[in-house]
Amino acid sequence: DQQVKQNSPSLSVQEGRISILNCDYTNSMFDYFLWYKKYPAEGPTFLISISSIKDKNEDGRFTVFLNKSAKHLSLHIVPSQPGDSAVYFCAASEWQAGTALIFGKGTTLSVSS
Amino acid sequence: EPEVTQTPSHQVTQMGQEVILRCVPISNHLYFYWYRQILGQKVEFLVSFYNNEISEKSEIFDDQFSVERPDGSNFTLKIRSTKLEDSAMYFCASSIRDSSYEQYFGPGTRLTVT
Repeated sequence: DQQVKQNSPSLSVQEGRISILNCDYTNSMFDYFLWYKKYPAEGPTFLISISSIKDKNEDGRFTVFLNKSAKHLSLHIVPSQPGDSAVYFCAASEWQAGTALIFGKGTTLSVSS
Repeated sequence: EPEVTQTPSHQVTQMGQEVILRCVPISNHLYFYWYRQILGQKVEFLVSFYNNEISEKSEIFDDQFSVERPDGSNFTLKIRSTKLEDSAMYFCASSIRDSSYEQYFGPGTRLTVT
């Protein structure tokens, strides 16, 4: 039962262009969403989050958009840099249900120079 | 910048043996978590811990698993009798508050059960 889905296992982008990573969810009770970046042999690193009461949150080159009606969120990275090459995980939580983060399977982003 | 640390980075054990994975969460954080990632699969929640007790656990966290905060800084995950399918990366995480706040992850311990 995949409550959080990242349907694109990989994405390749040229340096300087926009990277758009997508995530869909099925549980309408999710009220907090996060993006994590993970390099090989390291733990997930928190990038940016968004509460369900918002539809956009921006932090530097990273912007997360939330479309609650479509149960869809996306992470935009502008401009993309080679150092952004990593696996990106979307995660969600439901405050009322507890503390667990539910992760998607991840999208591997490759930024070429 | 404060960070979550985990030891050891790699643990090899034989099936049936007990292992203890250790974590030092960020010092002012109040919630602690263990997750695991089997090779090629997604990160899965195991357990959360708050105020010296388990606040939530998943179906994976059966009687073979236990957690403890033995002192003011360490947070441990014990697997009593390891199975081959316990081989995975185990990540510790901590957050300053509950699930409405970001969880910060450690670098992980790779557990290999032979």
